[in-house]
Amino acid sequence: EAGVAQSPRYKIIEKRQSVAFWCNPISGHATLYWYQQILGQGPKLLIQFQNNGVVDDSQLPKDRFSAERLKGVDSTLKIQPAKLEDSAVYLCASSPAGTGELFFGEGSRLTVL
Amino acid sequence: QQQVKQSPQSLIVQKGGISIINCAYENTAFDYFPWYQQFPGKGPALLIAIRPDVSEKKEGRFTISFNKSAKQFSLHIMDSQPGDSATYFCAASVTGGGNKLTFGTGTQLKVEL
Repeated sequence: EAGVAQSPRYKIIEKRQSVAFWCNPISGHATLYWYQQILGQGPKLLIQFQNNGVVDDSQLPKDRFSAERLKGVDSTLKIQPAKLEDSAVYLCASSPAGTGELFFGEGSRLTVL
Repeated sequence: QQQVKQSPQSLIVQKGGISIINCAYENTAFDYFPWYQQFPGKGPALLIAIRPDVSEKKEGRFTISFNKSAKQFSLHIMDSQPGDSATYFCAASVTGGGNKLTFGTGTQLKVEL
């Protein structure tokens, strides 16, 4: 079974530039999550999708972050404009219905200079 | 309170020894407590999980101990091996609350020969 795919794995940008990350969840997983993991910290939830719809985006900085889930499958997370403090690993995870187990991708590491 | 507090921040154990990592929570609505293992450059992967209807769960060398009254749970790694060297995160979520995991801050474990 293929795991959660994320791209790009690494991205370096200047502050105030924009960046987009892509995630392809495990086939059949209805729930998709984006987490932000700052170095030395635990992952922090940014947004949760159930199929096409947003379940929770309360911790998403909506003035600069946006996310969408296309046709209930792939998802993109965009940051515009980026700030220095956005430097982190952005983890995508998916979960099958009815379980609490999250399957994580390898993450996209963002460095903002 | 959504916070999950984890200790220690780092841990060095000799091969064959026991590694113990502790977590505490405040939100009594939490009813799912997983531990995730993360290797450098990889996403977190589920190691073992427990629900509050049992006080202990064992899978191979890994054991979760759960104390509902104290709102604490811990991970014990028996016969620790160099391959166990990784960062360990405890987490908690509310079933039916979207299974959104709240993570601890992580423990960096190093198992020395």
